Amino acid sequence: SQQGEEDPQALSIQEGENATMNCSYKTSINNLQWYRQNSGRGLVHLILIRSNEREKHSGRLRVTLDTSKKSSSLLITASRAADTASYFCATDDYKLSFGAGTTVTVRA
Amino acid sequence: NAGVTQTPKFRVLKTGQSMTLLCAQDMNHEYMYWYRQDPGMGLRLIHYSVGEGTTAKGEVPDGYNVSRLKKQNFLLGLESAAPSQTSVYFCASSSDRGRTEAFFGQGTRLTVV
Repeated sequence: SQQGEEDPQALSIQEGENATMNCSYKTSINNLQWYRQNSGRGLVHLILIRSNEREKHSGRLRVTLDTSKKSSSLLITASRAADTASYFCATDDYKLSFGAGTTVTVRA
Repeated sequence: NAGVTQTPKFRVLKTGQSMTLLCAQDMNHEYMYWYRQDPGMGLRLIHYSVGEGTTAKGEVPDGYNVSRLKKQNFLLGLESAAPSQTSVYFCASSSDRGRTEAFFGQGTRLTVV
């Protein structure tokens, strides 16, 4: 399976700090996506990065992609309480598979 | 645009009963997916469809059946519910596999007693 695997499983940070999580995958990809899930809700798309891109920004989100290491990272800067959620990566596998996610808790 | 709508939102079944979960999307998407999510876990793919009239098995298909008779609808059936199928079910759709964003429904919380 090409599904991504997120690391760490859980992350607790203080409001205002940055949060970094990683995604590793097994085979070549054309693109990789990151999603957020607030408690009990459906996943919401955050950002898509293509294999020919190394870095992409969207607001306070920064995503990097290293195809040589088959890994991606998601950085959330200046975290807020509303960023408390689980974050998942997904590769361009037609099955749209997800890993177990990283649960981020932002403490006030 | 309603996006992806799941029906019902909540349901309690007795062991052995059957039911159908409906997923409807109004974005003319080709790809549709059914997932289950158990506490503290990620989403596990049950079945998916790459177009009208097609279905395929995902990671955990046992005990479930699906149909995609119309492009906009993807039905998930439980023929004989078991307590192990207690879960939150999510439907998603996308226009192109993995190349564009997927849209998710709000989830169906199913309890089998």
